[in-house]
Amino acid sequence: EPEVTQTPSHQVTQMGQEVILRCVPISNHLYFYWYRQILGQKVEFLVSFYNNEISEKSEIFDDQFSVERPDGSNFTLKIRSTKLEDSAMYFCASSLQGNTEAFFGQGTRLTVV
Amino acid sequence: GENVEQHPSTLSVQEGDSAVIKCTYSDSASNYFPWYKQELGKRPQLIIDIRSNVGEKKDQRIAVTLNKTAKHFSLHITETQPEDSAVYFCAASTDTGRRALTFGSGTRLQVQP
Repeated sequence: EPEVTQTPSHQVTQMGQEVILRCVPISNHLYFYWYRQILGQKVEFLVSFYNNEISEKSEIFDDQFSVERPDGSNFTLKIRSTKLEDSAMYFCASSLQGNTEAFFGQGTRLTVV
Repeated sequence: GENVEQHPSTLSVQEGDSAVIKCTYSDSASNYFPWYKQELGKRPQLIIDIRSNVGEKKDQRIAVTLNKTAKHFSLHITETQPEDSAVYFCAASTDTGRRALTFGSGTRLQVQP
């Protein structure tokens, strides 16, 4: 069964450093998402991407964040200058269409020290 | 934007009992309501979903009901088993606004053997 894959599974970074989280969505899916989950809290929407551009973003997704689809398979989330409060599990997801079932990757646990 | 409230935050039941988790949403345009199960350290996985043109949907021991007028939907698990123990999240999305999922705060279900 196809699944969304994310790398790395765990990333530790120094405050102020840039990180890039990588995702390979399911191949025939058209919508891609990033969500984050701070430990013990709910899943929060960051950004969605469709047709090679951002289709919507939340208030969390400020200028420190950017997304890119550098080739036909990868989807990346970049955090330019990490803060302690960026520590969370970051989930990539994809769906065939908008407003339909989203399939989640296994997540990248980001720890900012 | 959409706001999804979920309760209870924790629920403990005896094996074989039923469990009910309730969610309310704020955006009357929301028309897709999935439920995700998240085991510790794992990705959220869809267990059942419902669209606003349907009032109830059932899949073996799991059912979801939707009341569009009251803007609430519920997850019902019958004959609970220890492997049902997890965190359950409800979510909502719409065709006309945010197509990405807005999640509730989660319910930690503990099934006691």
